[in-house]
Amino acid sequence: DTAVSQTPKYLVTQMGNDKSIKCEQNLGHDTMYWYKQDSKKFLKIMFSYNNKELIINETVPNRFSPKSPDKAHLNLHINSLELGDSAVYFCASSPLAGVTYNEQFFGPGTRLTVL
Amino acid sequence: DQQVKQNSPSLSVQEGRISILNCDYTNSMFDYFLWYKKYPAEGPTFLISISSIKDKNEDGRFTVFLNKSAKHLSLHIVPSQPGDSAVYFCAASEIGGYQKVTFGTGTKLQVIP
Repeated sequence: DTAVSQTPKYLVTQMGNDKSIKCEQNLGHDTMYWYKQDSKKFLKIMFSYNNKELIINETVPNRFSPKSPDKAHLNLHINSLELGDSAVYFCASSPLAGVTYNEQFFGPGTRLTVL
Repeated sequence: DQQVKQNSPSLSVQEGRISILNCDYTNSMFDYFLWYKKYPAEGPTFLISISSIKDKNEDGRFTVFLNKSAKHLSLHIVPSQPGDSAVYFCAASEIGGYQKVTFGTGTKLQVIP
């Protein structure tokens, strides 16, 4: 009964390919996120969706496109992969933000290696 | 521009002693601060948080202290246990930031039995 799951856990691919990472949460949360942890261990937010609507979109190349088919899923599609895209990608979810901040629940991460 | 900084990449502490992890921030708009713990090959898990209207929050062995004037917070773990060995991330959220969280680079804590 994993709360936030990601597939695949490892992804090795060639430069120029297109790949997707899937994320699902069974916590009933309204908000989902994608984070990137680079080689310097810096964990940085990329996108956030609230009830299938994009609410945070950081400065990320257009090659990255999130898609939320429903509020339990937030997938990340990456076109024309580059060497610099190699990183660990984390999905997270949280209840809807009201006046009180809510903690975020993270998935186990997907390690992407671009060769 | 790194708005949340953890200047100590690693820390070693003897079991039973106190672990103190430090964090500094630069953005005055941050109003909520969190600590996350991360084991290898797992995602970060929430540990403890503090609102900017408080200067201390305690949860069992974990206490977070906030010094707003110094833009500094710290996490105290007493007593430290070998199972506490992990990477600890300091994080902060901005007023009206819709839960956009800015993370530090983490401090790797090793508790020696």
